[in-house]
Amino acid sequence: GENVEQHPSTLSVQEGDSAVIKCTYSDSASNYFPWYKQELGKRPQLIIDIRSNVGEKKDQRIAVTLNKTAKHFSLHITETQPEDSAVYFCAARTHSGAGSYQLTFGKGTKLSVIP
Amino acid sequence: DTEVTQTPKHLVMGMTNKKSLKCEQHMGHRAMYWYKQKAKKPPELMFVYSYEKLSINESVPSRFSPECPNSSLLNLHLHALQPEDSALYLCASSQDGTSGRRTDTQYFGPGTRLTVL
Repeated sequence: GENVEQHPSTLSVQEGDSAVIKCTYSDSASNYFPWYKQELGKRPQLIIDIRSNVGEKKDQRIAVTLNKTAKHFSLHITETQPEDSAVYFCAARTHSGAGSYQLTFGKGTKLSVIP
Repeated sequence: DTEVTQTPKHLVMGMTNKKSLKCEQHMGHRAMYWYKQKAKKPPELMFVYSYEKLSINESVPSRFSPECPNSSLLNLHLHALQPEDSALYLCASSQDGTSGRRTDTQYFGPGTRLTVL
């Protein structure tokens, strides 16, 4: 099955600096890679996603890059703000073999933005 | 409306109790999911329903019993749980869990915080 590795597990940055979180996946058939932000006690919320036929996608201060050859994708947050503090999960979508697709999540990165 | 709702928000139950968790979406999605999330861990897939049929059961113990009465509703029936089953139970939905060509974004509900005494 799919295996998603996520690094680092914790990340502290000064407000205004950039943050980068990296993930690797093992299944070359994975074709969709969402990123979720989860604040304490709340639901995971999709912040950005990328399909395997795209190399980069940007939405204001957030960008995601994908290297299919290396099976590697990254989340970039620029001009970080205290409200960016949360746990971020990367995920890869793979076929389950049972006619459905499922997400495999990385272990998460706890981002702390220091004012 | 991109909202998935779940009830109750919190649930405390004894090991001999029977209770149910409920999930609802009105986005016309045809795939619905149950996840279990322990503190400081990622969501862990339990079940997938696709077009109201159970398509994935990730070897979940039989004390958890899912049910999909219609395309908008998903239940999780709980019986004889153990203290280690205490966790946040998340429901999610997506447009079509069977199509590899679509983006098929999963939207999560707020979860039910379950405590088993």
